[in-house]
Amino acid sequence: SYELTQPLSVSVALGQTARITCGGNNIGSKNVHWYQQKPGQAPVLVIYRDSNRPSGIPERFSGSNSGNTATLTISRAQAGDEADYYCQVWDSSDRVFGGGTKLTVL
Amino acid sequence: QVQLVQSGSELKKPGASVKVSCKASGYTFTSYAMNWVRQAPGQGLEWMGWINTNTGNPTYAQGFTGRFVFSLDTSVSTAYLQISSLKAEDTAVYYCARDLGMESHFDYWGQGTLVTVSS
Repeated sequence: SYELTQPLSVSVALGQTARITCGGNNIGSKNVHWYQQKPGQAPVLVIYRDSNRPSGIPERFSGSNSGNTATLTISRAQAGDEADYYCQVWDSSDRVFGGGTKLTVL
Repeated sequence: QVQLVQSGSELKKPGASVKVSCKASGYTFTSYAMNWVRQAPGQGLEWMGWINTNTGNPTYAQGFTGRFVFSLDTSVSTAYLQISSLKAEDTAVYYCARDLGMESHFDYWGQGTLVTVSS
């Protein structure tokens, strides 16, 4: 089965840029989706198909995907961005999640 | 507006069964697949499988065969997750989430249902 690898935690200073990676074998050939989950809440889609933002998601959120790594970038990080972030792809007809990354805004 | 509204928290004893519902509104129920996702306490998201809302055909992820059953009642736009022979390790929040299939994303999620299994 296909595996996605995310760092357990990422820290970023307030106002700086955070990058959260998602590694997988030739992940660049797949569509990668990203979700934000705050404590006690359901996940929210923040990026779909590598780099597309749903309506209502700030432009500060962006995504890229190439080779063996997909990246979620959060510019001008705010305290409200502190959350868990999950990447997700399809493997055949299965949906697969990464293990999740806890983003801390310092 | 699109909504997926799940049933409330459940407290069950080991060996019992539970049925979680997910009522959809604001869109054509049969136009989207319905997925189930588990999140154990302090853990990440785990995809359990999906059900084809046109045919009712379920597909279960590895590790979710046998005790887990997905079903539908299309007359009330509701999907169900039933878990039998509950174990302590089934304690988790269970989410329903829709997608369009074909490598698409989960664009709407239910609010989650906490199932606690304890004697």
